[in-house]
Amino acid sequence: DIQMTQSPSSLSASVGDRVTITCRASQTVRKFLNWYLQKPGKAPSLLIYAVSSLQTGVPSRFSGSGSGTDFTLTISSLQPEDFATYFCQQTSSVPDTFGQGTKLDFK
Amino acid sequence: QVHLQESGPGLVRPSQTLSLTCTVSGGSISSASYYWAWIRQPAGKGLEWIGRIFTGGSTTYNPSLRSRVTISGDTSKSQFSLNLTSVTAADTAVYYCARATLYSGSSDYWGQGILVTVSS
Repeated sequence: DIQMTQSPSSLSASVGDRVTITCRASQTVRKFLNWYLQKPGKAPSLLIYAVSSLQTGVPSRFSGSGSGTDFTLTISSLQPEDFATYFCQQTSSVPDTFGQGTKLDFK
Repeated sequence: QVHLQESGPGLVRPSQTLSLTCTVSGGSISSASYYWAWIRQPAGKGLEWIGRIFTGGSTTYNPSLRSRVTISGDTSKSQFSLNLTSVTAADTAVYYCARATLYSGSSDYWGQGILVTVSS
């Protein structure tokens, strides 16, 4: 299985901050890297697919970048509704695997 | 708007079979642009991909669960189902069904999730 490692595991920030979360794959995942947001008690919600494509309806403050094994999710200016847990996912190789999550909370 | 809804028992006895159904509305499960997946999440933990079913009925499973998992579809009812045999407490989790795009494999629509507890 491809192992996905996110860092940091948790992050404290304030409204308006610029935040970056990284995701590293144990082997190349080509362009098959997606990002999700999950709020407590809710299903994950797709933010970014194929490394850098913004899912319809997702605010433009979210962006993704990277290639091969190293990827980043950036939130340019945190909003109150962005405090949640973020997961990366690779769909390059079966089984699909997820990062362990990055919990973003208020500083 | 596509909507997915999981249904099934919330409590399963150890060694029995967990059976869940996902009902899809607002979209066709016969579309060749998508496939349909099951994903689970133990309380306070990360996400584990269980498997998927494509239009036409072919399936792919997580090797860690392959010996116990079956995913099937019923296009006439716009449903797909998960069977997980010989369950243990380690199978206790919130189970999600989701639609994934063939292009990227990303899951753009999810059900709300159903908590299944394995306990005697």
